[in-house]
Amino acid sequence: ETGVTQTPRHLVMGMTNKKSLKCEQHLGHNAMYWYKQSAKKPLELMFVYSLEERVENNSVPSRFSPECPNSSHLFLHLHTLQPEDSALYLCASSPTATSGNYNEQFFGPGTRLTVL
Amino acid sequence: GQNIDQPTEMTATEGAIVQINCTYQTSGFNGLFWYQQHAGEAPTFLSYNVLDGLEEKGRFSSFLSRSKGYSYLLLKELQMKDSASYLCAVTGTYKYIFGTGTRLKVLA
Repeated sequence: ETGVTQTPRHLVMGMTNKKSLKCEQHLGHNAMYWYKQSAKKPLELMFVYSLEERVENNSVPSRFSPECPNSSHLFLHLHTLQPEDSALYLCASSPTATSGNYNEQFFGPGTRLTVL
Repeated sequence: GQNIDQPTEMTATEGAIVQINCTYQTSGFNGLFWYQQHAGEAPTFLSYNVLDGLEEKGRFSSFLSRSKGYSYLLLKELQMKDSASYLCAVTGTYKYIFGTGTRLKVLA
């Protein structure tokens, strides 16, 4: 596979469930990101990892727990979510975590999450 | 504070030219990106500006004025496949701040 892949593509869960989203990049990049995209809202940066170290956490509730075991894989562990957490969750990667210098981000197709 | 403004929707005709504006206020600036996102798909990179001026890439051009906190994306010779959302993103160290996106509809 090439580029950035995400699984599952769709997920429906109850508020008491625990689930995980997975992201994998095959681009040799050192930085990975989690974004939340809700209808009619800007893309919201949640977490940034650089070489498996978290370098940015944008005041995300603790019910979202990221994990980056290596520079190619990123997980988002979900527990006791709320209905307002329903959104498209996008993973992205870039050569480095320092923005600028043509450091474009490559996005995965996203996971459409519905919390009942 | 940090803020990015884009029009919510625009409509244009196939073959025409359309300009999508983006104004921003941020603390720290390392460049401005434009991404295209078709419905149900991931955003894809279109352009990057860090210095003032116009960057041209085929049918798409992007302009930046740092003193005015202003950018635009210019799409020429519009095609039906250009119907998509166009996201403006401003970058600082580790931070990418996106606008809400402009949904462009291209009519035949």
